Amino acid sequence: DSGVTQTPKHLITATGQRVTLRCSPRSGDLSVYWYQQSLDQGLQFLIQYYNGEERAKGNILERFSAQQFPDLHSELNLSSLELGDSALYFCASSALSSYNEQFFGPGTRLTVL
Amino acid sequence: AQKVTQAQTEISVVEKEDVTLDCVYETRDTTYYLFWYKQPPSGELVFLIRRNSFDEQNEISGRYSWNFQKSTSSFNFTITASQVVDSAVYFCALSPLSGGYNKLIFGAGTRLAVHP
Repeated sequence: DSGVTQTPKHLITATGQRVTLRCSPRSGDLSVYWYQQSLDQGLQFLIQYYNGEERAKGNILERFSAQQFPDLHSELNLSSLELGDSALYFCASSALSSYNEQFFGPGTRLTVL
Repeated sequence: AQKVTQAQTEISVVEKEDVTLDCVYETRDTTYYLFWYKQPPSGELVFLIRRNSFDEQNEISGRYSWNFQKSTSSFNFTITASQVVDSAVYFCALSPLSGGYNKLIFGAGTRLAVHP
């Protein structure tokens, strides 16, 4: 158990809908990262937050947004969902902003029908 | 370009065999970190090792060992006396210094199947 929690574990929804994925980092970790794992794109970095502020952006679509709250939990919002958004979404956390190992949560499997 | 290549898509071995998973990376940065993660069938990503670009010492942890060679931009992972529980997808990842951030650039992964 990495100490990172993600809810829900599974999510099934329809095209055009909006969903929110939630992540709680390990106790004491200030950085939260979101990754998407799909069959065609592999594991891709989406976005990083550090102590409530956005630090880095990767291949995140404009339809997707994230935030980190004062209690350090983070939410990833996915809107206007398309079939191609079906994937495993991981949250990871690390102690500081840079170069620490990242510990991953169990992931949220999103299926868009 | 920042890139990680894991050329072996799938490897199948019989228990007790040694197996090496290859990882080749590309970066223009002189300072970077390399990682290996394991993704067992249950789906979570498990951290195995972090290595910085200035530390080329090989590392051994039980049955696992890692060989970092900057000259060939490789960071290979060897499992000695493999066991069925080692069956998983293994990812190599690069975290370059440019941008000062900690994003991980993952390879495509190598699926290891260890048969009894």
